[in-house]
Amino acid sequence: NAGVTQTPKFRILKIGQSMTLQCTQDMNHNYMYWYRQDPGMGLKLIYYSVGAGITDKGEVPNGYNVSRSTTEDFPLRLELAAPSQTSVYFCASSYTAGNTIYFGEGSWLTVV
Amino acid sequence: DQQVKQNSPSLSVQEGRISILNCDYTNSMFDYFLWYKKYPAEGPTFLISISSIKDKNEDGRFTVFLNKSAKHLSLHIVPSQPGDSAVYFCAASVGNFGNEKLTFGTGTRLTIIP
Repeated sequence: NAGVTQTPKFRILKIGQSMTLQCTQDMNHNYMYWYRQDPGMGLKLIYYSVGAGITDKGEVPNGYNVSRSTTEDFPLRLELAAPSQTSVYFCASSYTAGNTIYFGEGSWLTVV
Repeated sequence: DQQVKQNSPSLSVQEGRISILNCDYTNSMFDYFLWYKKYPAEGPTFLISISSIKDKNEDGRFTVFLNKSAKHLSLHIVPSQPGDSAVYFCAASVGNFGNEKLTFGTGTRLTIIP
């Protein structure tokens, strides 16, 4: 039962570097999401996708890019990493807009 | 502007007793509410939900109460078990047709003392 799988689990980036957080789901869900959680804060939506080829901004999209070329995969790209992007990132998916969201285990990112 | 607030960052409860986790919201348009549970190094998992047409929803040991006039909801766990030790997030949205519209609280860490 893989569900939502994120890689890497941990990463340290230097300021200005770029990286991609990978996310894949095997539940044939249409909707996929990327959230970040900062210490002492609730989850904030970065980007989401309602299906392959369709993405949209969430609450905190600046500094990130996404793509959705397949139903299964929804990578999150960080361009020019900044210390403010130090956070825990969660990928998630749901079958439709109002269905239960299933989360991945999280990716801990530190930008130094 | 935190529209969903969980004012208690942590809570400790004796095993077998009742755990009560609280959540307040400021947006009167919110009409659908959820609770998620998160263990360390895992993603949140859905626990229970309630829509504003109800004031109570039960699922086994878990009950969510909604007080619309006070803009307050609470999660009751009875009896509390060691496996309930986790961080609990409440979330709210306007309608249940857009997960992208969910607003999450900051979480409460529940520790069950054996």
